Amino acid sequence: QKEVEQNSGPLSVPEGAIASLNCTYSDRVSQSFFWYRQYSGKSPELIMSIYSNGDKEDGRFTAQLNKASQYVSLLIRDSQPSDSATYLCAVTTGSGGSYIPTFGRGTSLIVHP
Amino acid sequence: DAGITQSPRHKVTETGTPVTLRCHQTENHRYMYWYRQDPGHGLRLIHYSYGVKDTDKGEVSDGYSVSRSKTEDFLLTLESATSSQTSVYFCAISESLSDYTFGSGTRLTVV
Repeated sequence: QKEVEQNSGPLSVPEGAIASLNCTYSDRVSQSFFWYRQYSGKSPELIMSIYSNGDKEDGRFTAQLNKASQYVSLLIRDSQPSDSATYLCAVTTGSGGSYIPTFGRGTSLIVHP
Repeated sequence: DAGITQSPRHKVTETGTPVTLRCHQTENHRYMYWYRQDPGHGLRLIHYSYGVKDTDKGEVSDGYSVSRSKTEDFLLTLESATSSQTSVYFCAISESLSDYTFGSGTRLTVV
């Protein structure tokens, strides 16, 4: 059984701070890693993907991957109240096939003014 | 939502009745998926399809069936709805790893 673990939170940070969201996974052969953002009552939307060890930056978002530790994180710099949402980590094994990710249960982020 | 539509958006049904949810895409993506999302459980895969008439079970497939007779449509049927199937159902589509897109969801209540 593949597992993806996230702290459910809520993680509360002040506006302008760095929010750090963490995710661990159990399957060592996992190859693709994704972060989705889900606002309350809405569907998940993909915000970051990362496939190799290290950091990947996109605007205020940075995804970090450490395959040896089976750990992936999402940093949000200069957090804004509009970043308040649930963040889902997703992990896929293999680069072909049916592209089915396993999702974590999500971490709720609250950015307060 | 990027060419993916779910219907209905909301439905209330009685225990024991059949229910069909529809997912329609205009992206011509090969893969389509049905998930349910419940508090404390996150997103769980019910069934998925990798082509017309090609489907397979996910981790929570009991009580659900699917059909895909056309590339653009993926139907989820609850043969005899139970209260435990009260949930938010999301359809998703993909053609590659990086374009996994969700529909707006269907909120189903079984009373």
